[in-house]
Parts: sequence; structure tokens; C-alpha cells
Amino acid sequence: GENVEQHPSTLSVQEGDSAVIKCTYSDSASNYFPWYKQELGKGPQLIIDIRSNVGEKKDQRIAVTLNKTAKHFSLHITETQPEDSAVYFCAASIGGNDMRFGAGTRLTVKP
Amino acid sequence: KAGVTQTPRYLIKTRGQQVTLSCSPISGHRSVSWYQQTPGQGLQFLFEYFSETQRNKGNFPGRFSGRQFSNSRSEMNVSTLELGDSALYLCASSRGQGFRETQYFGPGTRLLVL
Repeated sequence: GENVEQHPSTLSVQEGDSAVIKCTYSDSASNYFPWYKQELGKGPQLIIDIRSNVGEKKDQRIAVTLNKTAKHFSLHITETQPEDSAVYFCAASIGGNDMRFGAGTRLTVKP
Repeated sequence: KAGVTQTPRYLIKTRGQQVTLSCSPISGHRSVSWYQQTPGQGLQFLFEYFSETQRNKGNFPGRFSGRQFSNSRSEMNVSTLELGDSALYLCASSRGQGFRETQYFGPGTRLLVL
């Protein structure tokens, strides 16, 4: 089945710096790649997603890139703020039948 | 628009008991998916319901079951609870079937099995 690996598991950056989280997947049939942010005591919240027919997508300070050949996708957060501190999960969907998540990255933004 | 709601928020059970968790999706959403989140295994997909039918299923034993009602509300049941079932159970709703549309997660039900 699909495996999604996520790196790093923890990431600490200074406020204003950029943060990059990377994920790889194994099943070439994967076609939908969402990213979620989970704050303490809350459910995951979708922050951005990308489909396999698109290479890059941007929404204000957040961007996601997808390399289908290499089977990896990345989340980029620019101008980080303390409120960006949370656990971030990548995920990959295979043909709409299954959703596999990465293990998560705990991002800490230091003021 | 109200978000996804889950009840109860916290639950304590003992081994061997069964439990039923409830999820009310966002109004107009017809798909409800259930996930288990644990520190060791992370987020794992349990199953998805759409139009009262289970459409997709993850790799969990038959002790985990669910159903969906005509108003799209869903319940998840775990029978013969084991210690390892202690987890945060999340449900997510979306407009359409499958994982092609944005999923909105509820706050989860934290289950502790003693």
C-alpha cells in the first residue's frame, strides 16, 4: 500500500524565517496531496492542497510543490509567525479510495 | 456555517466494553470519514461513508464499524475494547465521495481504555 514519509519530525525556526517540510510517497497512482495543520486540542485543518496535474500552488505565505517524477511534495511557509507553531501533516490520496498521512512535523516558531 | 461536531469529546471505558462515537457533518456535506490518531501510529484512515453506504475502508479489524444516517450524521462503534484502542478519533466531512474534495475535521473524541 501507499507509504508517506515526512521530514523533519521537528523543526524550529526564528520568527520571519522560512520553514520547509518534505514528504515522499510510494504509489504513483496517488493524485491528491493535502497539507493539514493541527493545533493542540483541535482536529487537523486543511491549509493547502495540490492535485497531480499541478506542479505548484501558492496561498499567501504558504506554498506547496509537487514533483511527480520523484514522488515528493513539499510545504513552504515564508515569513513565519509564532501562530504558525503547530503540527503539520502531509497526506496522499490514491484514486479517492484511501488517504495516507505522514507522521507529522512539529513546527516551533520562536519570537 | 457550523463546523463538524463530535460527541462525546472525552470518554473512559474499560477493556471488553464497547463504545459508540457520533459525528455530525457540516450542513450539505454527504461524506463522513473516520480516522484514528495515536502517538505511535499517527493518523490512520478507518472508513468513509457516503449516502448511508460504506464506500472505502482502511486496514482495521472488524471490531471497528460504522454507519451513516439519512441526514448524513455518522456513528462509529468499537466492540470488545482493547488497551490499544486508546486514541483520538476524528471524523471529517466533505461534499462528495472519496478524497477529491476538501475534508473538514471535527475536534475529535478522545477515548481512553483502562
